[in-house]
Amino acid sequence: DIQMTQSPSSLSASVGDRVTITCRASQDINNYLAWFQQKPGKAPKSLIYLASSLQSGVPSKFSGSGSGTDFTLTISSLQPEDFATYYCQQYNSYPLTFGGGTKVEIK
Amino acid sequence: EVQLVESGGGLVQPRGSLRLSCVGSGFTFSSYWMSWVRQAPGKGLEWVAIIKPDGGEKHYVDSVKGRFTISRDNAKNSLYLQMNSLRAEDTAVYYCARVWQDGTVDYWGQGTLVTVSS
Repeated sequence: DIQMTQSPSSLSASVGDRVTITCRASQDINNYLAWFQQKPGKAPKSLIYLASSLQSGVPSKFSGSGSGTDFTLTISSLQPEDFATYYCQQYNSYPLTFGGGTKVEIK
Repeated sequence: EVQLVESGGGLVQPRGSLRLSCVGSGFTFSSYWMSWVRQAPGKGLEWVAIIKPDGGEKHYVDSVKGRFTISRDNAKNSLYLQMNSLRAEDTAVYYCARVWQDGTVDYWGQGTLVTVSS
């Protein structure tokens, strides 16, 4: 199984900050990497697919990059509605696997 | 508007069974792979199972193989998860998810809670 390791597991940031979250796969996943946002008590929301493509309706302040085994999610200017938990997921091979999540909190 | 609505969750005793349903609307259900993802209380997301549009291909996470069965009825725009031999560790919110053409999830249902406890 492919292991997905996210870092950090949590971070504190201020409104307006640039935030970067890292996701590392245990083997090459051919850029089949997605990012999701989840707010407390809510279903996840899809943000990015194929490592860097934005889902429809997702604001451009979110961006994804990386290739091979190392990927990043960047939020260019953190807003109050962005405080949430973010997950990466590989969908290169079964079983599909998620990272442990990164909780973005208000400083 | 794409909508996915799950139902069927509830309290069940260990070793019991439960069947979850998900109805899709706002898209051509029969054209999409569909998946189940779960989240134990206070924990992260865990992929459970996926099914091809015609039902002819299915995959499961190891922890549910032989106990859970994913199926679909395209005439009813419905996805199912039959869960047998339930264990305490199966307690979670179960989400139905639509899978986009490249394999990623693009839409999620609101989830249904399954609690396995005596």
